[in-house]
Amino acid sequence: GQQVMQIPQYQHVQEGEDFTTYCNSSTTLSNIQWYKQRPGGHPVFLIQLVKSGEVKKQKRLTFQFGEAKKNSSLHITATQTTDVGTYFCAGPSAGGTSYGKLTFGQGTILTVHP
Amino acid sequence: EAEVAQSPRYKITEKSQAVAFWCDPISGHATLYWYRQILGQGPELLVQFQDESVVDDSQLPKDRFSAERLKGVDSTLKIQPAELGDSAMYLCASSSLTGTVNRNSPLHFGNGTRLTVT
Repeated sequence: GQQVMQIPQYQHVQEGEDFTTYCNSSTTLSNIQWYKQRPGGHPVFLIQLVKSGEVKKQKRLTFQFGEAKKNSSLHITATQTTDVGTYFCAGPSAGGTSYGKLTFGQGTILTVHP
Repeated sequence: EAEVAQSPRYKITEKSQAVAFWCDPISGHATLYWYRQILGQGPELLVQFQDESVVDDSQLPKDRFSAERLKGVDSTLKIQPAELGDSAMYLCASSSLTGTVNRNSPLHFGNGTRLTVT
């Protein structure tokens, strides 16, 4: 079945340093979504990328969708303690492009040291 | 902002007992999902409803798990009997549309029910 893999599993940074998490799918994706889960919280939708090579920015966060639509990345510039949490990518399951079924990666846990 | 309501927030049960979780999606959201999240992992879909119909339950352990959404609004997930390996966070999510060919509707998650089976 489809697999969505994220690296790294953990990332510890000093406040002010940059952070990047990478997402790779075993199959071509029609789109990819990113979610953030704060410690003790629930996943919260951040963004969706649809087009090949698409780049979107949200303040200090930059999201990229690969040309082949099999990988994606999330880059945070100058991390802050509020960025702490687990970042998940999620892509439509095989054959499920319009039925809303998403396969989540295992997530990257970001710790920011003040 | 409207939220997905779940209860209880925490549940401790002994193995072989029955447990049930409740979810009330955002009003008007036709699609409802139950996900299971084991600590340190991403959410895994258990069952998906479109209105009152099950769209996907391929990952639901049907020998012990059941889910219903009788009136197409709120939903209940049941486990009977619970096993030690069922300890996890059970997340309910809803979305407004099933999306288009290339675009999925974002999921709105509830706070989840953390289940501990002893």
